[in-house]
Amino acid sequence: NAGVTQTPKFRILKIGQSMTLQCTQDMNHNYMYWYRQDPGMGLKLIYYSVGAGITDKGEVPNGYNVSRSTTEDFPLRLELAAPSQTSVYFCASSQTGDYGYTFGSGTRLTVV
Amino acid sequence: GQQVMQIPQYQHVQEGEDFTTYCNSSTTLSNIQWYKQRPGGHPVFLIQLVKSGEVKKQKRLTFQFGEAKKNSSLHITATQTTDVGTYFCAADNYGQNFVFGPGTRLSVLP
Repeated sequence: NAGVTQTPKFRILKIGQSMTLQCTQDMNHNYMYWYRQDPGMGLKLIYYSVGAGITDKGEVPNGYNVSRSTTEDFPLRLELAAPSQTSVYFCASSQTGDYGYTFGSGTRLTVV
Repeated sequence: GQQVMQIPQYQHVQEGEDFTTYCNSSTTLSNIQWYKQRPGGHPVFLIQLVKSGEVKKQKRLTFQFGEAKKNSSLHITATQTTDVGTYFCAADNYGQNFVFGPGTRLSVLP
């Protein structure tokens, strides 16, 4: 099993550009999450989904959008990138909302 | 929303010494999780505690949930260099997702 796969691993964006961070899981998990982690800090929830077609905002959703058209995929869209979005982005999944998360290896994004 | 605090923020120990990190909440928690993140890596789920006063062990790691379910601790006996990393607790946020604490960064000097 691949688990949770994130692409790309690294990306440099210019201010104002847009991009999509890809996340896919092969464990048939219903719950999926996007977190960002700033250097030396904890994880902040951006968006989450409890199943295909259902998404909800987390703690820091501004500047991001998500969709969940299938159980496997949960892409994160950045529109009009800003330097404040420089961070490491982690996607995670869980079978239920109250059990341990499986994290992807992360995408390191720099906005210049 | 749910908020959790962790202390200490950093801990430097000599290899072989013990280490403890504490996680505290102002509200009663339904359950709590612990994760480990190696430098440059991603968080890895260690354990979940559900019951008041619960104690679970994984080799040299001992996890405890407070009687009032407002705090938790992770204790590592006789640290090794492989224990280096940041340890996060995560508190259940009304059954929809987990809120992560700021983490305790552990360094182990050989």
